[in-house]
Amino acid sequence: DADVTQTPRNRITKTGKRIMLECSQTKGHDRMYWYRQDPGLGLRLIYYSFDVKDINKGEISDGYSVSRQAQAKFSLSLESAIPNQTALYFCATAGTQETQYFGPGTRLLVL
Amino acid sequence: DAKTTQPTSMDCAEGRAANLPCNHSTISGNEYVYWYRQIHSQGPQYIIHGLKNNETNEMASLIITEDRKSSTLILPHATLRDTAVYYCIVSVRNSGGYQKVTFGTGTKLQVIP
Repeated sequence: DADVTQTPRNRITKTGKRIMLECSQTKGHDRMYWYRQDPGLGLRLIYYSFDVKDINKGEISDGYSVSRQAQAKFSLSLESAIPNQTALYFCATAGTQETQYFGPGTRLLVL
Repeated sequence: DAKTTQPTSMDCAEGRAANLPCNHSTISGNEYVYWYRQIHSQGPQYIIHGLKNNETNEMASLIITEDRKSSTLILPHATLRDTAVYYCIVSVRNSGGYQKVTFGTGTKLQVIP
């Protein structure tokens, strides 16, 4: 079984809708991250969390929010989706050693 | 500002060694060099990391120059499955706090049959 899972894997939504992307991990890591990737570009950090009570903004947090429901779960919400949020979204986890382990990604299309 | 620079793309013949260079001339003494790869829109996969000594694992070898300003990732016998984008990253380890990790655009390695 995969250590880091993301649901859904693919999602099509309409402008203005609120959607949630979910991430779960079985690695026992405290650190969790949300990234987005646009075609031809690298990964950009949206939010990160070092434990259940810790939430931090990344480079591009506007239009997004997160919830750390438990050590193993970290959800990303798009409050009111817009077309330029169409992207590939990755969740990642890390232990204290900084090596990051990524989920398979969620492909989001906002019409 | 990018901490690392990598060639945009490289080709390698199947079965040959793939040598992927990375420059990190502003690396700090406590920063490690990490390599990840991303196969066709899958989640990036950790490959290897090192501080100053050369490192080898089941996937690859990492050669770091003595001045630590550059490194080379070596895939000893490239296969078609190694076709991917390879990211070289520098980051502090055991930081106790968030260290910005910039993935950049990496090197697209194409393994040719």
